[in-house]
Amino acid sequence: SQTIHQWPATLVQPVGSPLSLECTVEGTSNPNLYWYRQAAGRGLQLLFYSVGIGQISSEVPQNLSASRPQDRQFILSSKKLLLSDSGFYLCAWSIGLSSYEQYFGPGTRLTVT
Amino acid sequence: GQQLNQSPQSMFIQEGEDVSMNCTSSSIFNTWLWYKQDPGEGPVLLIALYKAGELTSNGRLTAQFGITRKDSFLNISASIPSDVGIYFCAGQLRYTGANSKLTFGKGITLSVRP
Repeated sequence: SQTIHQWPATLVQPVGSPLSLECTVEGTSNPNLYWYRQAAGRGLQLLFYSVGIGQISSEVPQNLSASRPQDRQFILSSKKLLLSDSGFYLCAWSIGLSSYEQYFGPGTRLTVT
Repeated sequence: GQQLNQSPQSMFIQEGEDVSMNCTSSSIFNTWLWYKQDPGEGPVLLIALYKAGELTSNGRLTAQFGITRKDSFLNISASIPSDVGIYFCAGQLRYTGANSKLTFGKGITLSVRP
């Protein structure tokens, strides 16, 4: 069966510091991968999605970036964090271009101080 | 961007009661999904609907894909304390082609009084 991992689970970083969040999927090949951000008490905002290695689409202009160095690895990064980057970051996967069932990881709680 | 409307933002029910939530849009959707999120965790897929008029159950949960393709409903019967959480609807817009991006509602927070 497929599993999705995210780490770290929680992170506290000062403003201006770099960021690297990692997501890995097991038990499947060539998944579509997604990064979402969830602000406190609000819905899910799609940040990036990827349909293959090195293929990244950005949904929202911001100081974040994403990379997919391996088939089942998705990384969210920032060179300099802003206070507004605080939130709950969720990674998700799906299979196939026409599959709309997305499965989420456990999330990373990021607090920028 | 496209909106999925979920209201009210919060619902409070007594244990054992049934509850119904709906999700509406001004746009036509090809797919409707319902997720539940427990505090501090990622959303979990409850039910997926792919055909207008489709009615699907998962235990005490029943969801329907509206005939107009612009809405969906989720019903929870005989609620229990572990039903507490945030319920999100999500959909795939018609005419987006081979694209597996979803549009999410803002969620309804369900509280169950014992």
